[in-house]
Amino acid sequence: AQTIHQWPVAEIKAVGSPLSLGCTIKGKSSPNLYWYWQATGGTLQQLFYSITVGQVESVVQLNLSASRPKDDQFILSTEKLLLSHSGFYLCAWSQTSNERLFFGHGTKLSVL
Amino acid sequence: AQKVTQTQTSISVVEKTTVTMDCVYETRDSSYFLFWYKQTASGEIVFLIRQDSYKKENATVGHYSLNFQKPKSSIGLIITATQIEDSAVYFCAMREGGTGGYKVVFGSGTRLLVSP
Repeated sequence: AQTIHQWPVAEIKAVGSPLSLGCTIKGKSSPNLYWYWQATGGTLQQLFYSITVGQVESVVQLNLSASRPKDDQFILSTEKLLLSHSGFYLCAWSQTSNERLFFGHGTKLSVL
Repeated sequence: AQKVTQTQTSISVVEKTTVTMDCVYETRDSSYFLFWYKQTASGEIVFLIRQDSYKKENATVGHYSLNFQKPKSSIGLIITATQIEDSAVYFCAMREGGTGGYKVVFGSGTRLLVSP
């Protein structure tokens, strides 16, 4: 069975500090990977997607970057956090471009 | 560009009744895929049901069913015999066909409160 693990569960960071969030998918080869951001009470906004190792496509510009260093790993990062980066970050995977998404449990980020 | 709209911000029902949540979408693609997810109080997002644009029959899974009205670009979610644990935020989402499917657009969500 496939599992998706996100880390950390929660972070409290200062404005201007760096950030790195991670996601690992086990039990699935070559998954399509996604990063979503959700403001409190808001919708799910897609940030990035990746079809293969080393390739990441940006969907919206929020002063964030993403990388896929391994087939089963997806990293979201920034060198300087903004207050507007606060929210809930969700990693997801799918088998193909028309299948359902499987979501991780998310990371709650508070930027102070 | 694709767009998904949920106009109902919140709905309150008494348990064991039926509730319908609305969702309309916009796309130029002739092939697309529609999904409903729910987000629990813990933040967990759970897939519920899907409808492929080329299928005429409304999808049904357990006590979830869809009212797919393609001419109106509408995909309503129907929950029958609601239970307290159905209380959550429900999101409608769409993927277009082909390479456009890597962008998955979500609606703004509808909060459902089921009371005894």
